[in-house]
Amino acid sequence: KAGVTQTPRYLIKTRGQQVTLSCSPISGHRSVSWYQQTPGQGLQFLFEYFSETQRNKGNFPGRFSGRQFSNSRSEMNVSTLELGDSALYLCASSLVAPGNTEAFFGQGTRLTVV
Amino acid sequence: GQQLNQSPQSMFIQEGEDVSMNCTSSSIFNTWLWYKQDPGEGPVLLIALYKAGELTSNGRLTAQFGTTRKDSFLNISASIPSDVGIYFCAGQGYGNKLVFGAGTILRVKS
Repeated sequence: KAGVTQTPRYLIKTRGQQVTLSCSPISGHRSVSWYQQTPGQGLQFLFEYFSETQRNKGNFPGRFSGRQFSNSRSEMNVSTLELGDSALYLCASSLVAPGNTEAFFGQGTRLTVV
Repeated sequence: GQQLNQSPQSMFIQEGEDVSMNCTSSSIFNTWLWYKQDPGEGPVLLIALYKAGELTSNGRLTAQFGTTRKDSFLNISASIPSDVGIYFCAGQGYGNKLVFGAGTILRVKS
């Protein structure tokens, strides 16, 4: 069974640009969550999508958005990039069944804003 | 927002020693998860705990869900060099949102 796949692995963007990151969850998993990891703030929850609907949202500005497709694949978009957006962006997928809400992470996308 | 206090921040131990780390929260969680992250990789799930008081093992790893539902600990017995990495606890409350501890950096001296 394939794990969570995130693309691209690495990305360099310029301030002011926008970026789209992709996440393919484990087959059969319908929940996809996104996290930002930085040395200073640790792992911070961005949002969760379930069945194409945003179900939970963290405390990030509106420049951070996402969506989920009917095949459960998810994309995350960051507009008007700032230097502080440089981080490892992680996606996690979950089955979401009674007694089983374990989250499995992809390898992440390392975004550098210059 | 919810906060998890994870300790210790880092450990530098001798190979073969046992390791213990813990997380405490001001909030109740329904699930506790423990992850290990290697440099440049995503966190890998080690153990999931679903019931207060639950004690679960995965090889040399043992984790417990505290009876108050506000804490959890992870023990690693007889550490080996490949145990090196950052260990995170995560509490899962409403929906699938995970709240993470700041991590424990484990270094093993062989």
